[in-house]
Amino acid sequence: KAGVTQTPRYLIKTRGQQVTLSCSPISGHRSVSWYQQTPGQGLQFLFEYFSETQRNKGNFPGRFSGRQFSNSRSEMNVSTLELGDSALYLCASSFGTSGGWGDTQYFGPGTRLTVL
Amino acid sequence: SQQGEEDPQALSIQEGENATMNCSYKTSINNLQWYRQNSGRGLVHLILIRSNEREKHSGRLRVTLDTSKKSSSLLITASRAADTASYFCATAPSTGGGNKLTFGTGTQLKVEL
Repeated sequence: KAGVTQTPRYLIKTRGQQVTLSCSPISGHRSVSWYQQTPGQGLQFLFEYFSETQRNKGNFPGRFSGRQFSNSRSEMNVSTLELGDSALYLCASSFGTSGGWGDTQYFGPGTRLTVL
Repeated sequence: SQQGEEDPQALSIQEGENATMNCSYKTSINNLQWYRQNSGRGLVHLILIRSNEREKHSGRLRVTLDTSKKSSSLLITASRAADTASYFCATAPSTGGGNKLTFGTGTQLKVEL
Protein backbone atom coordinates (compact mmCIF):
# COMPACT_ATOMS: atom_id res chain seq x y z
CA LYS A 1 0.00 0.00 0.00
CA ALA A 2 1.16 3.50 -0.70
CA GLY A 3 1.91 5.58 2.35
CA VAL A 4 0.46 8.90 3.41
CA THR A 5 1.25 11.60 0.87
CA GLN A 6 1.34 15.32 1.46
CA THR A 7 1.51 18.13 -1.06
CA PRO A 8 3.25 20.39 -1.50
CA ARG A 9 6.42 19.35 0.34
CA TYR A 10 7.76 22.88 0.62
CA LEU A 11 5.99 26.20 0.57
CA ILE A 12 7.08 29.81 0.99
CA LYS A 13 4.44 32.45 1.70
CA THR A 14 4.39 36.00 2.99
CA ARG A 15 2.56 37.34 6.00
CA GLY A 16 -1.13 37.91 5.44
CA GLN A 17 -1.47 35.31 2.70
CA GLN A 18 -3.40 32.10 3.06
CA VAL A 19 -2.29 28.56 2.32
CA THR A 20 -3.89 25.19 1.68
CA LEU A 21 -2.11 21.93 2.40
CA SER A 22 -3.27 18.57 1.14
CA CYS A 23 -3.06 15.06 2.56
CA SER A 24 -3.95 11.72 1.00
CA PRO A 25 -4.26 8.96 3.61
CA ILE A 26 -3.40 5.31 3.21
CA SER A 27 -6.08 3.55 1.20
CA GLY A 28 -8.85 2.36 3.52
CA HIS A 29 -7.96 4.75 6.33
CA ARG A 30 -10.82 6.96 7.40
CA SER A 31 -9.22 9.05 10.15
CA VAL A 32 -6.89 11.91 9.25
CA SER A 33 -5.12 14.08 11.82
CA TRP A 34 -2.94 17.15 11.44
CA TYR A 35 -0.03 18.23 13.61
CA GLN A 36 2.19 21.28 13.68
CA GLN A 37 5.86 20.85 14.59
CA THR A 38 8.07 23.77 15.56
CA PRO A 39 11.40 23.92 17.42
CA GLY A 40 9.82 25.95 20.22
CA GLN A 41 6.48 24.22 20.77
CA GLY A 42 7.28 20.74 19.50
CA LEU A 43 4.53 18.57 18.06
CA GLN A 44 1.06 19.97 18.60
CA PHE A 45 -2.26 18.46 17.57
CA LEU A 46 -4.34 20.62 15.24
CA PHE A 47 -7.43 18.55 14.43
CA GLU A 48 -8.73 15.13 13.45
CA TYR A 49 -11.30 14.26 10.82
CA PHE A 50 -13.25 11.02 10.62
CA SER A 51 -15.91 10.33 8.00
CA GLU A 52 -15.85 13.97 6.84
CA THR A 53 -16.53 15.28 10.38
CA GLN A 54 -14.13 17.02 12.71
CA ARG A 55 -13.84 14.66 15.66
CA ASN A 56 -11.16 16.42 17.73
CA LYS A 57 -9.67 19.88 17.78
CA GLY A 58 -6.51 21.27 19.33
CA ASN A 59 -5.88 24.72 20.80
CA PHE A 60 -5.25 26.71 17.68
CA PRO A 61 -6.91 29.94 16.53
CA GLY A 62 -9.74 29.91 14.03
CA ARG A 63 -7.29 30.85 11.26
CA PHE A 64 -6.50 27.15 11.14
CA SER A 65 -9.22 25.08 9.54
CA GLY A 66 -9.58 21.80 7.78
CA ARG A 67 -11.91 19.51 5.97
CA GLN A 68 -12.16 15.95 4.79
CA PHE A 69 -13.65 14.71 1.55
CA SER A 70 -15.71 11.59 0.92
CA ASN A 71 -12.60 9.74 -0.31
CA SER A 72 -10.93 10.54 3.07
CA ARG A 73 -8.45 12.98 1.53
CA SER A 74 -8.02 16.03 3.75
CA GLU A 75 -6.96 19.62 3.40
CA MET A 76 -5.98 22.16 5.99
CA ASN A 77 -6.08 25.89 5.46
CA VAL A 78 -4.31 28.66 7.28
CA SER A 79 -5.57 32.16 6.63
CA THR A 80 -3.82 35.46 7.34
CA LEU A 81 -0.44 33.84 7.80
CA GLU A 82 1.84 35.01 10.61
CA LEU A 83 5.59 34.54 10.98
CA GLY A 84 4.92 32.11 13.81
CA ASP A 85 3.04 29.77 11.48
CA SER A 86 6.35 28.70 9.95
CA ALA A 87 6.52 25.02 10.78
CA LEU A 88 6.49 21.46 9.55
CA TYR A 89 2.87 20.39 9.12
CA LEU A 90 2.37 16.67 9.46
CA CYS A 91 -0.62 14.65 8.42
CA ALA A 92 -1.33 11.23 9.89
CA SER A 93 -3.91 8.62 9.02
CA SER A 94 -5.30 5.57 10.75
CA PHE A 95 -7.91 2.98 9.90
CA GLY A 96 -10.33 4.55 12.33
CA THR A 97 -13.61 3.29 13.66
CA SER A 98 -16.49 5.20 15.14
CA GLY A 99 -15.31 4.08 18.56
CA GLY A 100 -11.63 4.26 17.70
CA TRP A 101 -9.35 5.46 20.42
CA GLY A 102 -5.68 6.20 20.15
CA ASP A 103 -5.02 4.17 17.02
CA THR A 104 -1.53 3.77 15.61
CA GLN A 105 -0.88 6.76 13.38
CA TYR A 106 0.85 6.60 10.00
CA PHE A 107 2.52 9.89 9.20
CA GLY A 108 3.27 11.55 5.91
CA PRO A 109 6.59 13.29 5.17
CA GLY A 110 5.18 16.70 6.04
CA THR A 111 4.88 20.09 4.38
CA ARG A 112 7.56 22.61 5.35
CA LEU A 113 5.89 26.04 5.43
CA THR A 114 8.01 29.16 5.63
CA VAL A 115 6.30 32.50 6.23
CA LEU A 116 8.35 35.58 5.33
CA SER B 1 0.72 22.57 24.90
CA GLN B 2 2.69 19.41 25.37
CA GLN B 3 1.71 17.03 28.06
CA GLY B 4 4.90 15.17 28.67
CA GLU B 5 8.55 15.55 29.19
CA GLU B 6 11.18 13.22 27.87
CA ASP B 7 14.55 12.71 29.32
CA PRO B 8 17.27 12.92 28.47
CA GLN B 9 16.83 15.61 25.82
CA ALA B 10 19.87 14.25 24.03
CA LEU B 11 21.78 11.00 24.26
CA SER B 12 25.01 9.99 22.56
CA ILE B 13 26.19 6.38 22.68
CA GLN B 14 28.46 3.99 20.82
CA GLU B 15 27.16 1.40 18.41
CA GLY B 16 26.32 -1.82 20.23
CA GLU B 17 25.37 -0.08 23.48
CA ASN B 18 21.84 0.12 24.85
CA ALA B 19 19.86 3.36 24.83
CA THR B 20 17.20 4.18 27.40
CA MET B 21 14.87 7.14 27.18
CA ASN B 22 12.12 8.10 29.59
CA CYS B 23 8.76 9.78 29.19
CA SER B 24 6.51 11.32 31.81
CA TYR B 25 2.93 12.43 31.26
CA LYS B 26 0.25 14.18 33.26
CA THR B 27 -3.24 12.78 32.67
CA SER B 28 -4.94 9.39 32.51
CA ILE B 29 -4.27 7.53 29.31
CA ASN B 30 -5.79 4.86 27.11
CA ASN B 31 -2.42 3.98 25.61
CA LEU B 32 1.08 5.33 25.09
CA GLN B 33 2.94 5.14 21.80
CA TRP B 34 6.54 5.68 20.76
CA TYR B 35 7.54 7.21 17.44
CA ARG B 36 10.85 7.85 15.69
CA GLN B 37 11.63 10.85 13.50
CA ASN B 38 14.65 11.17 11.21
CA SER B 39 15.93 14.67 10.45
CA GLY B 40 12.63 16.61 10.47
CA ARG B 41 10.77 14.10 8.36
CA GLY B 42 7.57 12.22 9.11
CA LEU B 43 7.21 10.13 12.23
CA VAL B 44 7.36 6.35 12.20
CA HIS B 45 5.36 4.34 14.71
CA LEU B 46 7.49 2.01 16.82
CA ILE B 47 5.30 0.46 19.48
CA LEU B 48 2.02 0.93 21.36
CA ILE B 49 1.43 -0.10 24.96
CA ARG B 50 -2.03 -0.06 26.49
CA SER B 51 -2.77 1.31 29.95
CA ASN B 52 -3.37 -2.21 31.34
CA GLU B 53 0.00 -3.49 30.08
CA ARG B 54 3.27 -3.11 31.97
CA GLU B 55 5.83 -4.22 29.42
CA LYS B 56 6.00 -4.87 25.71
CA HIS B 57 8.71 -6.05 23.33
CA SER B 58 9.22 -5.60 19.62
CA GLY B 59 12.50 -6.75 18.12
CA ARG B 60 15.26 -4.72 19.81
CA LEU B 61 12.71 -2.46 21.53
CA ARG B 62 11.40 -2.87 25.05
CA VAL B 63 8.80 -0.50 26.46
CA THR B 64 7.62 -0.31 30.05
CA LEU B 65 4.67 1.61 31.42
CA ASP B 66 4.01 2.60 35.02
CA THR B 67 0.60 4.26 35.19
CA SER B 68 0.94 4.92 38.94
CA LYS B 69 3.98 7.09 38.22
CA LYS B 70 2.66 8.28 34.86
CA SER B 71 5.87 7.30 33.17
CA SER B 72 7.21 5.08 30.42
CA SER B 73 10.61 4.06 29.19
CA LEU B 74 11.91 2.91 25.84
CA LEU B 75 14.97 0.68 25.69
CA ILE B 76 16.76 0.08 22.41
CA THR B 77 19.23 -2.77 22.72
CA ALA B 78 22.40 -3.21 20.66
CA SER B 79 22.05 0.21 19.03
CA ARG B 80 23.07 0.79 15.43
CA ALA B 81 24.08 3.95 13.59
CA ALA B 82 20.73 3.73 11.76
CA ASP B 83 18.95 4.23 15.11
CA THR B 84 20.17 7.85 15.13
CA ALA B 85 16.94 9.87 15.24
CA SER B 86 14.61 11.73 17.56
CA TYR B 87 12.26 9.61 19.64
CA PHE B 88 8.89 10.82 20.90
CA CYS B 89 6.34 9.37 23.24
CA ALA B 90 2.70 10.17 22.59
CA THR B 91 -0.31 9.58 24.80
CA ALA B 92 -3.92 8.90 23.88
CA PRO B 93 -6.25 10.16 26.63
CA SER B 94 -8.55 7.86 28.55
CA THR B 95 -11.57 10.06 27.77
CA GLY B 96 -12.79 11.80 24.66
CA GLY B 97 -12.19 9.18 22.04
CA GLY B 98 -10.64 9.62 18.64
CA ASN B 99 -6.96 10.01 17.84
CA LYS B 100 -5.86 13.16 19.62
CA LEU B 101 -2.31 12.30 20.59
CA THR B 102 -0.24 14.47 22.91
CA PHE B 103 3.47 14.27 22.20
CA GLY B 104 6.40 14.61 24.54
CA THR B 105 9.37 16.87 23.95
CA GLY B 106 11.49 14.14 22.40
CA THR B 107 14.92 12.62 22.92
CA GLN B 108 17.62 13.09 20.27
CA LEU B 109 19.63 9.89 20.03
CA LYS B 110 22.99 9.79 18.29
CA VAL B 111 24.63 6.43 17.79
CA GLU B 112 28.29 6.72 16.84
CA LEU B 113 30.39 4.13 15.05
